[in-house]
Amino acid sequence: GQNIDQPTEMTATEGAIVQINCTYQTSGFNGLFWYQQHAGEAPTFLSYNVLDGLEEKGRFSSFLSRSKGYSYLLLKELQMKDSASYLCAVMDSNYQLIWGAGTKLIIKP
Amino acid sequence: SAVISQKPSRDICQRGTSLTIQCQVDSQVTMMFWYRQQPGQSLTLIATANQGSEATYESGFVIDKFPISRPNLTFSTLTVSNMSPEDSSIYLCSVGSPGVGTGELFFGEGSRLTVL
Repeated sequence: GQNIDQPTEMTATEGAIVQINCTYQTSGFNGLFWYQQHAGEAPTFLSYNVLDGLEEKGRFSSFLSRSKGYSYLLLKELQMKDSASYLCAVMDSNYQLIWGAGTKLIIKP
Repeated sequence: SAVISQKPSRDICQRGTSLTIQCQVDSQVTMMFWYRQQPGQSLTLIATANQGSEATYESGFVIDKFPISRPNLTFSTLTVSNMSPEDSSIYLCSVGSPGVGTGELFFGEGSRLTVL
């Protein structure tokens, strides 16, 4: 079966750095996505990786290793507004998105 | 980008009734997706709504329970029929072209249904 694993919850301190990991097992691979979802709101797109390596976008970076079925989202200089759930999703060979359950990130002052 | 309006944003419903959720997009899109997100769980695709043809349902979801309309390229509705408490969830409308470009999806604000 297809599976996306990410930690349920993480806690970090304002101003620090946090890495949220995602491992996947899917039928084929056509890219990995990270979405941010604040409580009570819709998910919003953060990043897309289809090739191995690191994609940097401001305070957020996303890394992919296809051989390991592994990705991480790196958040730097954490702000209170970064408190949200972070969803990892993989597009399989049929271009279907397989979603992880999300990682709830709690930022403490 | 796409701006998506969904309504109702939330509702409390009685068991056995049906509710229709509307999704309006500010641009013409080929495919619209309906997702369900239960508390603490991942997004689950219910169906893909195609303009001019019947919706394509995922395993575990059937047309009788979740009838979908797609009358034009900017609008779709999802009906949750004969509701039970297990249908309490957030229902999200989404647009995008996962097979093209980055595959970024845009989501509506969601409709939070509580079935008593």
